[in-house]
Amino acid sequence: EAGVAQSPRYKIIEKRQSVAFWCNPISGHATLYWYQQILGQGPKLLIQFQNNGVVDDSQLPKDRFSAERLKGVDSTLKIQPAKLEDSAVYLCASSSQTGWGNTIYFGEGSWLTVV
Amino acid sequence: AQKVTQAQTEISVVEKEDVTLDCVYETRDTTYYLFWYKQPPSGELVFLIRRNSFDEQNEISGRYSWNFQKSTSSFNFTITASQVVDSAVYFCALSEAYSGGGADGLTFGKGTHLIIQP
Repeated sequence: EAGVAQSPRYKIIEKRQSVAFWCNPISGHATLYWYQQILGQGPKLLIQFQNNGVVDDSQLPKDRFSAERLKGVDSTLKIQPAKLEDSAVYLCASSSQTGWGNTIYFGEGSWLTVV
Repeated sequence: AQKVTQAQTEISVVEKEDVTLDCVYETRDTTYYLFWYKQPPSGELVFLIRRNSFDEQNEISGRYSWNFQKSTSSFNFTITASQVVDSAVYFCALSEAYSGGGADGLTFGKGTHLIIQP
């Protein structure tokens, strides 16, 4: 079974530029998450989708970050304009079931450097 | 308040030694899940174990074992006879039944960087 796919793996941009990350979850997984992991810290949840609806985006900096999952499968996370503090790994994850306590499977992440 | 604390930032041991990674959590819920993930240099978080709050039995999987103690709010992870391939960052995480907003995302600790020297 294929895992969570993410692209691009690495991206370097200048501050104030924009960037987009793509994620394809494990086949059949209805729940999709985007996490931000700053160097030396644990991942932090940015947004959670259930099919194509947003369950929680309370920690998403909405002035610059946006995410969508239009057909309930793939998802895109966009940052515009980027700031230096956005340098991090952006991890996409998915889960087969709704509700708390389900095992969440992660992709390899998209590494962003803002200079 | 930090909900998952991994006080050990970095641990370095020689191969074949046993090593224990500590995890202390904080929650007001009586129903919750605890997880351990491994993050090798490639970056992917690899799921290791999930344990619910009603099951305090220790678990052993090969060289890995987990000790869950509700009385001390701890969920420690032991690697027996460590190997170089065990080198990675290990994260403990908490999923609470009532985290608010309907979300069920995980709350992670800051991780412990484990270095196994040959």
